[in-house]
Amino acid sequence: EDQVTQSPEALRLQEGESSSLNCSYTVSGLRGLFWYRQDPGKGPEFLFTLYSAGEEKEKERLKATLTKKESFLHITAPKPEDSATYLCAVQSGSARQLTFGSGTQLTVLP
Amino acid sequence: NAGVMQNPRHLVRRRGQEARLRCSPMKGHSHVYWYRQLPEEGLKFMVYLQKENIIDESGMPKERFSAEFPKEGPSILRIQQVVRGDSAAYFCASSHDWDSNYGYTFGSGTRLTVV
Repeated sequence: EDQVTQSPEALRLQEGESSSLNCSYTVSGLRGLFWYRQDPGKGPEFLFTLYSAGEEKEKERLKATLTKKESFLHITAPKPEDSATYLCAVQSGSARQLTFGSGTQLTVLP
Repeated sequence: NAGVMQNPRHLVRRRGQEARLRCSPMKGHSHVYWYRQLPEEGLKFMVYLQKENIIDESGMPKERFSAEFPKEGPSILRIQQVVRGDSAAYFCASSHDWDSNYGYTFGSGTRLTVV
């Protein structure tokens, strides 16, 4: 059974204070690892898909990296508008569905 | 492009009533997925459908829950005889195909409250 564990559960940063979110996973044959952002009362918003160890993707202040056991979402010089819950999910084998972690709730203080 | 449309946004039902949640996928998307998010928990997969077919319902409770995606019209998630434990946010996602570089596009969800 696929498992995804995200840490920390909550993170408070000062504006401009860079940090990383962790996503550890156990799957039988990774097809893709997904990062989403979710704002209160809204659906998840797609950020990245990573497919193989060593892959990196960037979008504005966000950079996602992947190893064989975990993924990191690095946030460089965050702004208050980056405050949200960040979700990690995996897709494995021939399964169509995603298995999600419980998320990291990020708060960036001005 | 209106994105994935879910309605209603909020739904209140008394115990024992039926709840019908609707999802219109993005234009051009033929794959629909339903997820449930319980308070303080992560998103849990329920069912995967293509037009007129249920592909994978391994995450769907065996009783009271059903889903369909007809040839015409939105996908429907139906919950019969709702109980308090069904209170949750239900999200629909769609994709062009299942192995998409663009991920799955989620709707804004339907928040079901059972009183």
